[in-house]
Amino acid sequence: AQTVTQSQPEMSVQEAETVTLSCTYDTSESDYYLFWYKQPPSRQMILVIRQEAYKQQNATENRFSVNFQKAAKSFSLKISDSQLGDAAMYFCAYCKNNAGGTSYGKLTFGQGTILTVHP
Amino acid sequence: KAGVTQTPRYLIKTRGQQVTLSCSPISGHRSVSWYQQTPGQGLQFLFEYFSETQRNKGNFPGRFSGRQFSNSRSEMNVSTLELGDSALYLCASSPWTGANTEAFFGQGTRLTVV
Repeated sequence: AQTVTQSQPEMSVQEAETVTLSCTYDTSESDYYLFWYKQPPSRQMILVIRQEAYKQQNATENRFSVNFQKAAKSFSLKISDSQLGDAAMYFCAYCKNNAGGTSYGKLTFGQGTILTVHP
Repeated sequence: KAGVTQTPRYLIKTRGQQVTLSCSPISGHRSVSWYQQTPGQGLQFLFEYFSETQRNKGNFPGRFSGRQFSNSRSEMNVSTLELGDSALYLCASSPWTGANTEAFFGQGTRLTVV
């Protein structure tokens, strides 16, 4: 069974600074997707960034980037120029790439990291 | 385009009762998944439906069930409620196939069992 581990229950960062959230996972699959989701107090889960396991290049979305180390099964999220609106719970998630099409419907989540941004 | 809609947003039920939660996916999305979120267990996958068929099921007792209708709307039912069923229940929809797709989540239904 796949597992996702986030070892940092809480992190804090000063506004405009950079913070890195850690995630490790365990799977025997070679083809899968990894995600970072953000859950603000409104509880709405919002996709931050997606990484396809077969792609060597690390994904980037504006101020958000990942460090994907497939051999080490590590998937960290770096938030640059942190903003007050980045404060939320962040979840790392894994999804197997099913043959015949990708199902994003069965995500395995980590326990989450609460990010606090100080002005 | 309307997002994923979950109703009701809040529910209070008594132990032993049953409850039905509803999820309307984004138009055109054929896959609907359900997750339970609790402080102790985190986010756990319940089940996924695609074209009215259950495709995947998580490790939950048979008291938890679901179904999907021909218009892709989904319901989940919990019978004989226990205090431990108190949680935020999240629904997500996705198109299932195609590149650059993702799971879109609703705002959840907060269930409190007393």
